[in-house]
Amino acid sequence: SQQGEEDPQALSIQEGENATMNCSYKTSINNLQWYRQNSGRGLVHLILIRSNEREKHSGRLRVTLDTSKKSSSLLITASRAADTASYFCATVYSNDYKLSFGAGTTVTVRA
Amino acid sequence: DAGVTQSPTHLIKTRGQQVTLRCSPKSGHDTVSWYQQALGQGPQFIFQYYEEEERQRGNFPDRFSGHQFPNYSSELNVNALLLGDSALYLCASSGTGGEVRTGELFFGEGSRLTVL
Repeated sequence: SQQGEEDPQALSIQEGENATMNCSYKTSINNLQWYRQNSGRGLVHLILIRSNEREKHSGRLRVTLDTSKKSSSLLITASRAADTASYFCATVYSNDYKLSFGAGTTVTVRA
Repeated sequence: DAGVTQSPTHLIKTRGQQVTLRCSPKSGHDTVSWYQQALGQGPQFIFQYYEEEERQRGNFPDRFSGHQFPNYSSELNVNALLLGDSALYLCASSGTGGEVRTGELFFGEGSRLTVL
């Protein structure tokens, strides 16, 4: 079973708007990562946030982590058509080697 | 600097056949992980190789096996193919070999397997 669960499953926004997606997980983690996947292609790492961090920024991306609620959010500001993709959160448990992925959020940015 | 490369990109097999997928990790990386991604789903962890040993395995049957070579490249073998094995198979590499906690993974473009 997949550990992280993204919400919403799909999101359609206008170019220039912000996109927010959420991820929930079930047990304690070492870190949480976000990846992007363009249709049928490989995944690209976006950002990693460790369990002792609360917020990280990378360009137009902002990630927050709330370990008390076991949740994370990814915000994409000023979206562009090129941001159209599926976004996945992935969790790493303490003393674990693997990344456990959620089912993803499909984001469509309309021109 | 080449990233993660996988071959073949696409292949079609029939039920009962066997398939081998190949992966070359990013330069400087010593750890290779394999994932299966069914259509519309997130990637599912199959196993991870480090120092030519399977270090961790996901919930996949023994029909799925792998190997890592001294140059860190890796193969994924699937025997007795089932229709349900149709998926995108992704290889990912990382350089965290000696550390417990996994950092960023670098993914290849995947091998699309269709089982008829």
